[in-house]
Amino acid sequence: ETGVTQSPTHLIKTRGQQVTLRCSSQSGHNTVSWYQQALGQGPQFIFQYYREEENGRGNFPPRFSGLQFPNYSSELNVNALELDDSALYLCASSPGDGLEEQYFGPGTRLTVT
Amino acid sequence: QKEVEQDPGPLSVPEGAIVSLNCTYSNSAFQYFMWYRQYSRKGPELLMYTYSSGNKEDGRFTAQVDKSSKYISLFIRDSQPSDSATYLCAMSYTGGSYIPTFGRGTSLIVHP
Repeated sequence: ETGVTQSPTHLIKTRGQQVTLRCSSQSGHNTVSWYQQALGQGPQFIFQYYREEENGRGNFPPRFSGLQFPNYSSELNVNALELDDSALYLCASSPGDGLEEQYFGPGTRLTVT
Repeated sequence: QKEVEQDPGPLSVPEGAIVSLNCTYSNSAFQYFMWYRQYSRKGPELLMYTYSSGNKEDGRFTAQVDKSSKYISLFIRDSQPSDSATYLCAMSYTGGSYIPTFGRGTSLIVHP
């Protein structure tokens, strides 16, 4: 186990709703990243937080937002859900500000109907 | 053309076989190369990462990077049924706050 936990495990939402996903990083890891993994695809980088500040963002619209807290927990918020948002959402923590050594959580499976 | 290409498989091999998994890429600026293993219903697990060209070995796993051909490989020796998983390659520009690009993963099945 990586020591990275995510909640909830599964979630079903309706189009247009808002969702908050949670992640608890490994203790001492200052960087947390969030990814979206569609079925049969590799993870796509959403954004990264380093010491509570956004420090890199992928090609995702502003309705995807996040927060990182001092206790190594973080959130991914998605507003105005669309059907294409259905995916596995992964968080990963890193000891430094690089991403070459990341430890992933088990993910949250989001289904938008 | 995607930046990182990876054959989705599935690749089916008998137990004990040597497995070769590969990715090609188009962006010559990639410097860090990583391999992850992902079991069903789990998050990816980092297996190996290498910087620039060359080989790196860790137990039964060997990672190779050929930057001149824009081609990376992961070899698994003495494959076991427990190696059955999806293997994802990933690469990035620098070791700082970069954006990693993943391949779509290759599904490996090792049958007894």
